[in-house]
Amino acid sequence: GAVVSQHPSRVICKSGTSVKIECRSLDFQATTMFWYRQFPKQSLMLMATSNEGSKATYEQGVEKDKFLINHASLTLSTLTVTSAHPEDSSFYICSARAPLAFYNEQFFGPGTRLTVL
Amino acid sequence: AQSVTQLDSQVPVFEEAPVELRCNYSSSVSVYLFWYVQYPNQGLQLLLKYLSGSTLVKGINGFEAEFNKSQTSFHLRKPSVHISDTAEYFCAVSYGGSQGNLIFGKGTKLSVKP
Repeated sequence: GAVVSQHPSRVICKSGTSVKIECRSLDFQATTMFWYRQFPKQSLMLMATSNEGSKATYEQGVEKDKFLINHASLTLSTLTVTSAHPEDSSFYICSARAPLAFYNEQFFGPGTRLTVL
Repeated sequence: AQSVTQLDSQVPVFEEAPVELRCNYSSSVSVYLFWYVQYPNQGLQLLLKYLSGSTLVKGINGFEAEFNKSQTSFHLRKPSVHISDTAEYFCAVSYGGSQGNLIFGKGTKLSVKP
């Protein structure tokens, strides 16, 4: 149980285009999902916290108009990188928190490698 | 500010040798502690977690960690490593209980050599 999927696993796009990444909790409902960004050989940096049915909360320094997050249902959150540029190339990882969890365990997706040419 | 420090960015070790990956966190009244493993181009897999109770926590793949409140540490250990343990290991802390966000250390690259 507690599986989180991401799609696509890898995407290459041209500069200026928009890219959508999906994060799904496959066997549980997640009221809260998280989006992280990971640069090569670095740690995960939280970008935003997404709650079902409400606006996402972005971390300081993350452009909310650049990284659009939609958490439309209890099993799906999407991250759209708008007008992508080469500096947006990174590994994006989502996670989901099960609503009945007593502790703060997050279940992580396999990640999406974005390359902007 | 709340923080997590992984003291070693890289740890090379020979197969079947013991290993310890160090993690320290900034002091807090209540913390939940986690160790994750990341294989190349993959997401994070939970190795083990400390929430409360016994300070010695056993996880998957033969790993264990000990919570030391006085030293604000949560070091990860394995008595005998395998080639397949080569990966990036992240220590993470939640300072806000069940609703707190995770703060990650910078990671330690474990390289197991034959």
